[in-house]
Amino acid sequence: GAVVSQHPSRVICKSGTSVKIECRSLDFQATTMFWYRQFPKQSLMLMATSNEGSKATYEQGVEKDKFLINHASLTLSTLTVTSAHPEDSSFYICSARDFRTGGTYGYTFGSGTRLTVV
Amino acid sequence: RKEVEQDPGPFNVPEGATVAFNCTYSNSASQSFFWYRQDCRKEPKLLMSVYSSGNEDGRFTAQLNRASQYISLLIRDSKLSDSATYLCVVNPRAAGNKLTFGGGTRVLVKP
Repeated sequence: GAVVSQHPSRVICKSGTSVKIECRSLDFQATTMFWYRQFPKQSLMLMATSNEGSKATYEQGVEKDKFLINHASLTLSTLTVTSAHPEDSSFYICSARDFRTGGTYGYTFGSGTRLTVV
Repeated sequence: RKEVEQDPGPFNVPEGATVAFNCTYSNSASQSFFWYRQDCRKEPKLLMSVYSSGNEDGRFTAQLNRASQYISLLIRDSKLSDSATYLCVVNPRAAGNKLTFGGGTRVLVKP
């Protein structure tokens, strides 16, 4: 089945620094990837849709200048949390869909990145 | 009203018992439906897609009721390993490929 690799799995950073999270589709091309955030005991909330070769589409309330998304190739999307603050501490997950099989695999998720800002 | 609503639980289920729970969605034009399973501090994993005619995968049965706008998941012969949060996921037609997640239903299977 489709595999999405996400790194790092866990990161602790100081307030004010930036953190980059990578998401790769390993065995398929993903023209679109999705970035989610999940706070403790809450469900996944879509932050933005990453489109290969074009600007990302951000959900309402998500600051595009704070959460920079780059999708420069068909297999890689990155999310950079700039000037991170403790309230940005969360579980960030990427997702993509393998359309080769008509979507029967559904949407495959990366293993997530647990960000802690101290 | 939330787009996708679930009873958060927890559903405490004796091992070997059957448990069922629903999920309601507000967008009548929604076209794709899924159940995902999420273990604590892990990413969601696809459990099964939900088809109009209903579908079964081993001990798991999913049903879709478009008239009442809900989907259901039934787990038979519950195992301890079924303990997890089950996420109802909907793809609204107008949202392209975006998914909308329910808040999840927590299931705890106990010996």
